[in-house]
Amino acid sequence: SSELTQDPAVSVALGQTVRITCQGDSLRNYYASWYQQKPGQAPVLVIYGKNSRPSGIPDRFSGSSSGNTASLTITGAQAEDESDYYCNSRDSSGNHWVFGGGTKVTVL
Amino acid sequence: QEQLQESGPGLVKASETLSLTCTVSGGSFSSYYWSWIRQSAGKGLEWIGRIYFSGSTNYNPSLKSRVTMSLDTSKNQFSLKLRSVTAADTAVYYCARAVFGDNMNWFHPWGQGTLVTVSS
Repeated sequence: SSELTQDPAVSVALGQTVRITCQGDSLRNYYASWYQQKPGQAPVLVIYGKNSRPSGIPDRFSGSSSGNTASLTITGAQAEDESDYYCNSRDSSGNHWVFGGGTKVTVL
Repeated sequence: QEQLQESGPGLVKASETLSLTCTVSGGSFSSYYWSWIRQSAGKGLEWIGRIYFSGSTNYNPSLKSRVTMSLDTSKNQFSLKLRSVTAADTAVYYCARAVFGDNMNWFHPWGQGTLVTVSS
């Protein structure tokens, strides 16, 4: 089992807001990064650091953190946001990197 | 725009060694970490390891006994070797550039991925 825990699936109505969470003890000390993956494609970085977006990522994607939980929020979800989302950070030792199990987001 | 491209055999026999290379183009090879990540069919992402441009490495503890990563700065390439493979090592293998800070890390960009199947 992963040291970062994500809900397997969430759904959101078109245009509404959805929050995807990632829980793990290491998140008390380290920020998470977030990746979007569509079927048959490589993951794409959407959020890193405290709340930074790479060039080209829409501003409806935002990140936050509190205690042992990191969150990715999509404000005004679009049909094209339907994807798998993975969080990434350190393991409990802080020396190795780990991914959460992933969350499948369905836009209704 | 930096690009990464994985290459290597798509089929490896069980008990043999999986070997992949990632070629980096359009950017600087130095001052970054470089990582391998894999994904089994229908499963999540698994970090395999990282190598710094200086050559220092760090591996996933669950794979450490079988993994070796190396780099060739003259060719802007880094490589993965995974020994004694089994069917459980069948996966899409991705290479990615990694940024490693005091309290954060991220992977960007990624290669397109290459499917490696382990045959019995």
